[in-house]
Amino acid sequence: AQSVTQLGSHVSVSEGALVLLRCNYSSSVPPYLFWYVQYPNQGLQLLLKYTSAATLVKGINGFEAEFKKSETSFHLTKPSAHMSDAAEYFCAVSRSYNTDKLIFGTGTRLQVFP
Amino acid sequence: GAGVSQSPSNKVTEKGKDVELRCDPISGHTALYWYRQRLGQGLEFLIYFQGNSAPDKSGLPSDRFSAERTGESVSTLTIQRTQQEDSAVYLCASRSNGGGINTGELFFGEGSRLTVL
Repeated sequence: AQSVTQLGSHVSVSEGALVLLRCNYSSSVPPYLFWYVQYPNQGLQLLLKYTSAATLVKGINGFEAEFKKSETSFHLTKPSAHMSDAAEYFCAVSRSYNTDKLIFGTGTRLQVFP
Repeated sequence: GAGVSQSPSNKVTEKGKDVELRCDPISGHTALYWYRQRLGQGLEFLIYFQGNSAPDKSGLPSDRFSAERTGESVSTLTIQRTQQEDSAVYLCASRSNGGGINTGELFFGEGSRLTVL
């Protein structure tokens, strides 16, 4: 069985500060990992994905995530937060990168203060 | 179409009524997924279609829930005898299983918000 745990349902940072959103996964097979973002009143869109090619994955809008097998983690980071980053972020795991369901975490709502 | 389209965007119904939610995936996407998002919670997997067949329907919460897909295109999620706990946003996503840089990415619709009174 697969699952993801997102620590912290809410994270608040100041504009310009480091963003760190945590995700730990559980998987009986090598996982494929994803981060999705949901802006207010919009659908979810893909930020980045890990498909075993490289452990450090760069995504859109300056976000990146590092796959750490020893820690079963896939934390999302951004060096400097922008007001437009305020959204809900979901981590997801799959057994395949294109033929299986994604199991999502419960989400982390990011607030950015001026 | 250009994106995943869902209808209705909002549906208010009375307890015990049946509802149908529709999803139009991106043209050519062979895989289609339904998820449920309750207020303040994450996305809960319901069912996955590959073409017109559903190899994984393990997330359907009860036999009141069913879904079908025809023509490898439109999908309908039906909830019979709705209950208040069915209130949620129902999200549809499609995915290309072919080649290309977007392979693996789920493209989501904006959801159908269901409120059961």
